[in-house]
Amino acid sequence: GQNIDQPTEMTATEGAIVQINCTYQTSGFNGLFWYQQHAGEAPTFLSYNVLDGLEEKGRFSSFLSRSKGYSYLLLKELQMKDSASYLCAVRPSSGYSTLTFGKGTMLLVSP
Amino acid sequence: ETGVTQTPRHLVMGMTNKKSLKCEQHLGHNAMYWYKQSAKKPLELMFVYNFKEQTENNSVPSRFSPECPNSSHLFLHLHTLQPEDSALYLCASSGASGSLSYEQYFGPGTRLTVT
Repeated sequence: GQNIDQPTEMTATEGAIVQINCTYQTSGFNGLFWYQQHAGEAPTFLSYNVLDGLEEKGRFSSFLSRSKGYSYLLLKELQMKDSASYLCAVRPSSGYSTLTFGKGTMLLVSP
Repeated sequence: ETGVTQTPRHLVMGMTNKKSLKCEQHLGHNAMYWYKQSAKKPLELMFVYNFKEQTENNSVPSRFSPECPNSSHLFLHLHTLQPEDSALYLCASSGASGSLSYEQYFGPGTRLTVT
């Protein structure tokens, strides 16, 4: 089966750093994705990790440890516009593969 | 601006109605997906099409019927729905599943309410 866990909600202050964790247990693994979804809008792609380590992309970084079934999304210099839901998704296999999503973490950034 | 469009954006229908959701992608992708997003639940994959062929049906009830006439268009035909089918229905596209083009691009969704 597939199981992806992430916190339901997090709060942080503008200018701060926040780390959103994701743990997964899946029948196979061919990559982990992070998406951002603002209320009423489409999810948009943020990052992709398939090998262990840290991928940095501007203010956002994503980390993966395959042996631990663990990833995190790190957001630096938080801005009000970063208030959104952050979705962790795993691609279980490399064939006609699809994404299995977690429930999402709602991040609220306050002034 | 998203390369994936969906119409209508909002739909209210009775349980005896028949309606269709439309998705169009302008990204040259070969794979298209339907997802259901309900409150406090993960995005649920419903159907996958690769090169117009359905490659995955995630145990979706037959009251949902997909159609993919070409690689750019995807429909979801709805009939005799239940109130619990009320949700946000998202369409996505990507390079063919299994290819190196792994990112899925989502449309804005259709907010469906079944009364």
